[in-house]
Amino acid sequence: NAGVTQTPKFRVLKTGQSMTLLCAQDMNHEYMYWYRQDPGMGLRLIHYSVGEGTTAKGEVPDGYNVSRLKKQNFLLGLESAAPSQTSVYFCASSYMVAGNTIYFGEGSWLTVV
Amino acid sequence: GENVEQHPSTLSVQEGDSAVIKCTYSDSASNYFPWYKQELGKGPQLIIDIRSNVGEKKDQRIAVTLNKTAKHFSLHITETQPEDSAVYFCASQNYGGATNKLIFGTGTLLAVQP
Repeated sequence: NAGVTQTPKFRVLKTGQSMTLLCAQDMNHEYMYWYRQDPGMGLRLIHYSVGEGTTAKGEVPDGYNVSRLKKQNFLLGLESAAPSQTSVYFCASSYMVAGNTIYFGEGSWLTVV
Repeated sequence: GENVEQHPSTLSVQEGDSAVIKCTYSDSASNYFPWYKQELGKGPQLIIDIRSNVGEKKDQRIAVTLNKTAKHFSLHITETQPEDSAVYFCASQNYGGATNKLIFGTGTLLAVQP
C-alpha cells in the first residue's frame, strides 16, 4: 500500500528559485494537508484542501501556493524561495477533517541557500 | 489563538521503565486528542487517540488519560523498549467547531536506553 507519497524527498534551492512539491494519495481521501516541521515548532499547517478543486489557508501560508486539480494530488509551490523556508515538509490526508486519523507522507527535506 | 503545550521536550529512560509525556491545551471546547509517533526519517503515525467523553484509553503498553477540568492529557508508555525511541506529538482538535483545526504540540524526543 503506497498511502501518501511525496516527491522529491530532498532538494536544495537557491534563494529566489521556484519549485513544486508533489503529493499523491491512493486512499480516496477527501482532505489533504501540507505541514512544515521545524525544530522546537512542531507541525504547522501551511494549506489544506477539503476536496478536489478547493484550497484554504492554514497557520503559515505566506510564501506558498497550492493546487488540488485532482482528488488524489495536492501540490505545494514555492514561487520565490527564501532561507526561512528551509524545513521538512509533510503532506497528509484524511477521510474526514475532524476526529479522524491523518495519514502522513515520509517528508520532503528542503534547503534554501 | 489556540495552542498545545507539550512537556518534556526530551525524555531518556532505561529499557523496561515507564515514560510519561504531558500536554496542556488552551481551547476548552477541544474534544479530540490524538498522539502521533514519528520515527527517524519518517512521517508521523497515529498511535492512539481519545475523545472527550472518556477519561482513559489503553492499547497494550500505551495509554492516554484526559483531565478535561485541568485541560491536560498524557501519554503513558509502560515496559519501554528500544523501538519506542521516537518523537511523539500530541494534538488537540475541536471538531464540530468553526475551524476543526488540529493543533500539534512541539514534540517529545523519547530515547529508550538498552
